[in-house]
Amino acid sequence: DSGVTQTPKHLITATGQRVTLRCSPRSGDLSVYWYQQSLDQGLQFLIHYYNGEERAKGNILERFSAQQFPDLHSELNLSSLELGDSALYFCASSQGAGDTGELFFGEGSRLTVL
Amino acid sequence: GENVEQHPSTLSVQEGDSAVIKCTYSDSASNYFPWYKQELGKRPQLIIDIRSNVGEKKDQRIAVTLNKTAKHFSLHITETQPEDSAVYFCAAREGAGKSTFGDGTTLTVKP
Repeated sequence: DSGVTQTPKHLITATGQRVTLRCSPRSGDLSVYWYQQSLDQGLQFLIHYYNGEERAKGNILERFSAQQFPDLHSELNLSSLELGDSALYFCASSQGAGDTGELFFGEGSRLTVL
Repeated sequence: GENVEQHPSTLSVQEGDSAVIKCTYSDSASNYFPWYKQELGKRPQLIIDIRSNVGEKKDQRIAVTLNKTAKHFSLHITETQPEDSAVYFCAAREGAGKSTFGDGTTLTVKP
């Protein structure tokens, strides 16, 4: 158990819909990262938050948005869903912002868009 | 931005043989290079990492080497076992904290 909690574990929805994925980082970690992993693909960086502020953005679509709340949990909002958005979405946390430390991954949220 | 290339994409070895996975990166500002193992249907987990001020690091059957000049680093697994079968990802982290991952190597260890 990494200490990072992601909900829901599985989600099936239709094209055009909107979903919210939730992540609670490890106790004491201030950074939250979101990654997308499509079938048989690598980990594509979406966005990084540190202590409530956005620190870095990857190739995140405009239809996607995220935020980190004062209690440090984070939400990834995916809207106007398309078939190609089906993927495993991982949240990871680390202690600092620019530190050279391990990323602790959650179990992921598997999104299926039909 | 950072670009990480990982080779090979698939690797099959006999149990007991060694396995080597190589990665190159583009941003000289990257200073942290972790390797993650992802078993089927599970989350990635760190297996070893190396910082830019170190050339080599070893942990039992696993070792990582870093060549900063050439901007490449490698994972070495010796005496492979069937439980080593998984997808392995290299990554390069910039000072701002963003980690860029390679596309992964699917390692199969045949008994």
